[in-house]
Amino acid sequence: ETGVTQTPRHLVMGMTNKKSLKCEQHLGHNAMYWYKQSAKKPLELMFVYSLEERVENNSVPSRFSPECPNSSHLFLHLHTLQPEDSALYLCASSQEGGSPLHFGNGTRLTVT
Amino acid sequence: AQKVTQAQTEISVVEKEDVTLDCVYETRDTTYYLFWYKQPPSGELVFLIRRNSFDEQNEISGRYSWNFQKSTSSFNFTITASQVVDSAVYFCALIDQTGANNLFFGTGTRLTVIP
Repeated sequence: ETGVTQTPRHLVMGMTNKKSLKCEQHLGHNAMYWYKQSAKKPLELMFVYSLEERVENNSVPSRFSPECPNSSHLFLHLHTLQPEDSALYLCASSQEGGSPLHFGNGTRLTVT
Repeated sequence: AQKVTQAQTEISVVEKEDVTLDCVYETRDTTYYLFWYKQPPSGELVFLIRRNSFDEQNEISGRYSWNFQKSTSSFNFTITASQVVDSAVYFCALIDQTGANNLFFGTGTRLTVIP
């Protein structure tokens, strides 16, 4: 399997649930990213991990908690989300230094 | 501050027409990278091209071509002889030295190619 794989593709959760999004990259990259894509808004960077260390956290609410156990895997743990958190969550990976980001298919999250 | 502007929200063309997608960027850095991505209905962002700030050569890849002009801070994307499969949202993006870990995206242009 190649590229960046995200699971699940779709997720519906209540505001009191706890769930996790998973991302796996098979490209040998050393950086991984979480982006949020909402309707009619630019893609927003949420978190960046470089060599498994978090290097960017763009004022994301604490109800989103990332985890990067190794350079190939990235998780986004979700708890007590709000309806406005409904969006497409995209994972990406890259080699650093201006290299292109390679994206997964995304997880379509709906918070009810 | 970094900024990427795609003024065209939606464009519709008839198949086989040429279409140009506009991108204007802002950065204070002299070293930066510009990108174009395609997002088909499946949702995945597909990388199309990267251009660094020191290379103003235009590039052609099949039906796709890119025009990078530093004088106007623009990086426009032209599709020649458009096809239905070109229907997607296209994003222009920027990485510079200040936000080295952040790929700044424009708001995207939705292209619909009508058969």
